[in-house]
Amino acid sequence: RKEVEQDPGPFNVPEGATVAFNCTYSNSASQSFFWYRQDCRKEPKLLMSVYSSGNEDGRFTAQLNRASQYISLLIRDSKLSDSATYLCVVISSYKLIFGSGTRLLVRP
Amino acid sequence: DVKVTQSSRYLVKRTGEKVFLECVQDMDHENMFWYRQDPGLGLRLIYFSYDVKMKEKGDIPEGYSVSREKKERFSLILESASTNQTSMYLCASSLPGHENTEAFFGQGTRLTVV
Repeated sequence: RKEVEQDPGPFNVPEGATVAFNCTYSNSASQSFFWYRQDCRKEPKLLMSVYSSGNEDGRFTAQLNRASQYISLLIRDSKLSDSATYLCVVISSYKLIFGSGTRLLVRP
Repeated sequence: DVKVTQSSRYLVKRTGEKVFLECVQDMDHENMFWYRQDPGLGLRLIYFSYDVKMKEKGDIPEGYSVSREKKERFSLILESASTNQTSMYLCASSLPGHENTEAFFGQGTRLTVV
């Protein structure tokens, strides 16, 4: 079993839609959690950190459920520019562990 | 701005060659990482280093070694390149600890082994 699992997608949604990505992790001792974004042929970049209390950054909301070992990302009012691959990332034993990513396509 | 620089964007090597991939960061970060990225498999950790001369195996270290003689430089070595090592290689660096430690990536090296 992979340490971090994500639905690979792709998610194909119209502009303005709300879309949710989920991620599960297997190591209950994992310390920190993030969502990264990767555009085609580019390197990954940090989108946002994920806290137990939940956090919001504009149209993006991240949630962490430690009991269920589950992380989510909600994107509201999708824009064409949101098309990318979204990577769930967990810090576990000082290692940065990536999920395989969920691809999002936002269509006009 | 943090800058992580990988020595080559594209590299073509022959089977059996010894290959060096270099990575340099300019923000005095303690942690450095090497990943490979393949379609459908995401980023897989090869090795990481949390200090000079320190290294830890990641999930797929077989066929690779690393060197960290200076804090700013982390080298990935393919002792004898094989075709199954054809991949995109990404280097990253971050501050130590696990709270809000954003990782910054280089632009990647696409290695083809023929």
